[in-house]
Amino acid sequence: GNSVTQMEGPVTLSEEAFLTINCTYTATGYPSLFWYVQYPGEGLQLLLKATKADDKGSNKGFEATYRKETTSFHLEKGSVQVSDSAVYFCALNLGAGGYQKVTFGTGTKLQVIP
Amino acid sequence: SAVISQKPSRDICQRGTSLTIQCQVDSQVTMMFWYRQQPGQSLTLIATANQGSEATYESGFVIDKFPISRPNLTFSTLTVSNMSPEDSSIYLCSVGGDTEAFFGQGTRLTVV
Repeated sequence: GNSVTQMEGPVTLSEEAFLTINCTYTATGYPSLFWYVQYPGEGLQLLLKATKADDKGSNKGFEATYRKETTSFHLEKGSVQVSDSAVYFCALNLGAGGYQKVTFGTGTKLQVIP
Repeated sequence: SAVISQKPSRDICQRGTSLTIQCQVDSQVTMMFWYRQQPGQSLTLIATANQGSEATYESGFVIDKFPISRPNLTFSTLTVSNMSPEDSSIYLCSVGGDTEAFFGQGTRLTVV
């Protein structure tokens, strides 16, 4: 079956530090890959996505590259801010069109301290 | 993109009772998805709801416990029946776009 394994948290960083959250996946076929973010007390938001191998998704200073050879989609940010404190979920989907049945990783809680 | 509204946003319920969660989408969609996020856990798919047919449930979830209605292409409900404290979770509705899923803000349920 399909699965997503991501780095366990919590991760605590100082402001302006470099962030990496590792994510690897197992899937039959060619999935689209996503990072979702959940800020405290809020709903789930799409942070970035990549739909095919070697694609790089980016948003708000975050980046992740779809690496088919290593089945990975690691999330990076060069300089984190306190406002980035949230839970980050790596996810995959093999659907197309309206069929978006998502498999999530366990989530990584990030705390950024001033 | 799709805008999804869920009601209620949160509730505190007595054990043994049932709660129905509503999900309204701003466009017509074929499939709607219901997820559960238990405290400190990831999201798990409960079921897929197609208009005009019975919902398809994932392993570990049954219709008697989580009945779903899908009366039209923009609306669905999920009922959490005969609740116990273990049902305390965030329940999220989701729909699919061309390349990604969109999520509602979730319903935070606490069972006491």
